[in-house]
Formats: sequence, C-alpha cells, structure tokens
Amino acid sequence: QSVLTQPPSVSAAPGQKVTISCSGSSSNIGNNYVSWYQQLPGTAPKLLIYENNKRPSGIPDRFSGSQSGTSATLGITGLQTGDEADYYCGTWASSLSTWVFGGGTKLTVL
Amino acid sequence: EVQLLESGGGLVQPGGSLSLSCAASGFTFSSYAMTWVRQAPGKGLEWVSAIGGSGGGTYYADSVKGRFTISRDISKNTLSLQMNSLRAEDTAVYYCAKVEGGSSSYYFDYWGQGTLVTVSS
Repeated sequence: QSVLTQPPSVSAAPGQKVTISCSGSSSNIGNNYVSWYQQLPGTAPKLLIYENNKRPSGIPDRFSGSQSGTSATLGITGLQTGDEADYYCGTWASSLSTWVFGGGTKLTVL
Repeated sequence: EVQLLESGGGLVQPGGSLSLSCAASGFTFSSYAMTWVRQAPGKGLEWVSAIGGSGGGTYYADSVKGRFTISRDISKNTLSLQMNSLRAEDTAVYYCAKVEGGSSSYYFDYWGQGTLVTVSS
C-alpha cells in the first residue's frame, strides 16, 4: 500500500488528453513539492515534472503538472504511442523523513 | 553530461550480504544528495535510502532500516549501499539517482540504469 495514491491504469486514444491523479496528505504533498517520473518499458525512470509544474529541459510542453492541497495531477495532451509508460508521483514526507512514491499508473494509448 | 553507473548486483542467498556501488560523473558529486530506489519485478518504485551532500545525514525506508547502510566516497565519486541480512523481498532492480533541490523541493533529476539483486536459495 503506497503512501501516495494513483490510479493503476488510464487509457486514451492518440491525440487525446489524459490526466493522472496523485493523492496524499498534509504530511507529504500538502507541505512539499511533487515530482513526476516516466518509466518506459524496460528502462530506468526519468524525471518528467518537478516542483509541481516545472519541466526539465527536453520535456515537451505536452506534459504538465499541477498541485492543489494534498493532491497533484499530471496532464498529457496530444497523446502519442510513445507515451505508453508507467508514471509515478513522488514527494518528501516531512514527518517521516522519507521519500514516498505513488504506486504508479500505467498509461495505454489505444 | 551526468552519468550514474551502478554495479555489484547479483544472486545472493537469504541472510547474505551484498554491496552495491554507483559511479558518478559529470557533476560535483560532493555537493549533491544521492539516493537509492528499487523496483521489485513487476512492481512499482520503492525509495530505499538517501544521503545528504557533504555533511548531510542519512535516511532509510523502514523496510531496510538496520540492515542497509548508505555511504559515499567523495574521493572516488562513488555512492554505495551495503545490504545485510538480505531477504527474498529485497529482490529488485536497484537504481541510484542524483537528488536536486532542497528544503521542501527535492526531486531525482538523473538516474542510473540499475543493477539487479536476486535473493534466493
């Protein structure tokens, strides 16, 4: 059971938009920035979004992030088959002095 | 270019020990916190441990506290994870990652390719 809750899977057609939610609490998301990671099949995770809504260099603006209260959301527009991957949210849990990940969401582009 | 290269994975019997290393290059190693994250076969990411930049502390997940020890050798730009009393549930790919940010804004900006640890008799 992960500290951060994500839907196990989401799906949408190419060109469409999808959102992935990440629900936490005041001891994690409520007081710390959220980052998102993309893990393509058979590869290491890659930073997608940091500080709730910032994109590292090289990440297209089709990817966006937001945070409100104790929840965060990853948005992906203009879906491509190459976006099929597992997506994880993560943040620092201040009260525990540990990092926490969501359980991951598998994105299928139909 | 930041590079992180893990090594040391392999097959070990339950109760045994193993030491993982992560060779870092392309950035000032001593200035950044580093972390280990693992992924059991077919499962999600699980944070394992972190170590602060020079003078920083160490942090562990409850699942490994008292059995794993994270350390760093600044002279060799190497991060290590000493794993003792290994259990079947420690079987996973272990990734090292560079930590960026500070205070309430930590994130893992670069990851290694991972090394597989299998605990089995």
